[in-house]
Amino acid sequence: DQQVKQNSPSLSVQEGRISILNCDYTNSMFDYFLWYKKYPAEGPTFLISISSIKDKNEDGRFTVFLNKSAKHLSLHIVPSQPGDSAVYFCAASVRGGSNYKLTFGKGTLLTVNP
Amino acid sequence: DGGITQSPKYLFRKEGQNVTLSCEQNLNHDAMYWYRQDPGQGLRLIYYSQIVNDFQKGDIAEGYSVSREKKESFPLTVTSAQKNPTAFYLCASTHVSGSEAFFGQGTRLTVV
Repeated sequence: DQQVKQNSPSLSVQEGRISILNCDYTNSMFDYFLWYKKYPAEGPTFLISISSIKDKNEDGRFTVFLNKSAKHLSLHIVPSQPGDSAVYFCAASVRGGSNYKLTFGKGTLLTVNP
Repeated sequence: DGGITQSPKYLFRKEGQNVTLSCEQNLNHDAMYWYRQDPGQGLRLIYYSQIVNDFQKGDIAEGYSVSREKKESFPLTVTSAQKNPTAFYLCASTHVSGSEAFFGQGTRLTVV
């Protein structure tokens, strides 16, 4: 059973516009959420995270929004740049405890067109 | 520079052979993880380890084995029992208290 879902396999936007990537989760125990960016044949790199005690976290062009009641989070990239073209993974975890691990979605391929 | 090193980057294996993928980190992280990436499947957890000499199965552990004899090292063995081993394998590490994971550059394993 997939606990973290990214329902859009791909997204295409124009340079300078906003990119919105969505993620849903089913496990109400998740309390920490992360976004990763991945280029082909490379390891994912951490972008931004948000704790469940917040509903928004911003870092430069990247903003993550969390709606706990809907079990939904989104990543906004403004303005989008061609270098942002990559696969974006949403991940979730339960912090603390002795079995910490990240659960990933299947990813969304973002293409930013010049 | 601190980081995670996976080797080799590309690996070819004949059917029926075991093969071991290396993962070393100098971040002083307690926890280490192995993920597998297949097209359209995202990252699936194979095994993870929170402390030395202890590890747990992830979601797709069948056909794989690991060891954690040192904090810095978490090698993954892909055994002949793994039915479909061709994939991109990623190693990661975190502080055990819970934080973002740092990933290695991955190993592309191809069975020929």
